[in-house]
Amino acid sequence: DIQMTQSPSSLSASVGDRVSITCRASQSISIYLHWYQQRPGKGPKLLIYAASNLLSGVPSRFSGSGSGTDFTLTISSLQPEDFATYYCHQSYSAPDTFGQGTKLEIK
Amino acid sequence: QVQLQESGPGLVKPSQTLSLTCTVSGGFVSSGAYYWTWIRQPAGKGLEWIGRISTSGTTNYNPSLKSRVTISADTSKNQFSLKLSSVTAADTAVYYCARAVGQQLMSAPWGQGTLVTVSS
Repeated sequence: DIQMTQSPSSLSASVGDRVSITCRASQSISIYLHWYQQRPGKGPKLLIYAASNLLSGVPSRFSGSGSGTDFTLTISSLQPEDFATYYCHQSYSAPDTFGQGTKLEIK
Repeated sequence: QVQLQESGPGLVKPSQTLSLTCTVSGGFVSSGAYYWTWIRQPAGKGLEWIGRISTSGTTNYNPSLKSRVTISADTSKNQFSLKLSSVTAADTAVYYCARAVGQQLMSAPWGQGTLVTVSS
């Protein structure tokens, strides 16, 4: 299985801050990397697909970059509704695997 | 707009079979370049991919669960299902169904999830 290492596991930030979350794959996954947001008690929501493509309807403050083994999700200016848990997901090789998650909390 | 909804028993006894159904609305399980997927999340933990079924019926399973998992589709009801046999407390989790889209197989949308507890 491809291991996905996500960091940090938790992050405290303020409204308006710029934050970045990284995800590293144990082998190259090209751009088969996606980012999700999960709020408490809800199913994950896709934000970014294929490493850098913003899903329609997702605010432009979210962006993704990377290829191969190293990927980054950036939120340019945090809004109150962005405080949630974020997961990366590789679909390059079955079984699909996920990062362990990053909980973004209000400072 | 496609929507997915999980349903099934919330409590299963150890050694029995967990059975869940995902009902798809706004789309069809038998058409399009999609895979219909099951993922689970133990309380307070991360996401574990269980497996998927394509619109043509091809299945892929997580090797860690493969001996116990069956995913199938009922096109007449526009549903797909998960069966997990010989469950233990370690199978207690919120179970999600989702649609995997396109060549990149990103998952969207997801259902809201259903909690299944394994306990006697």
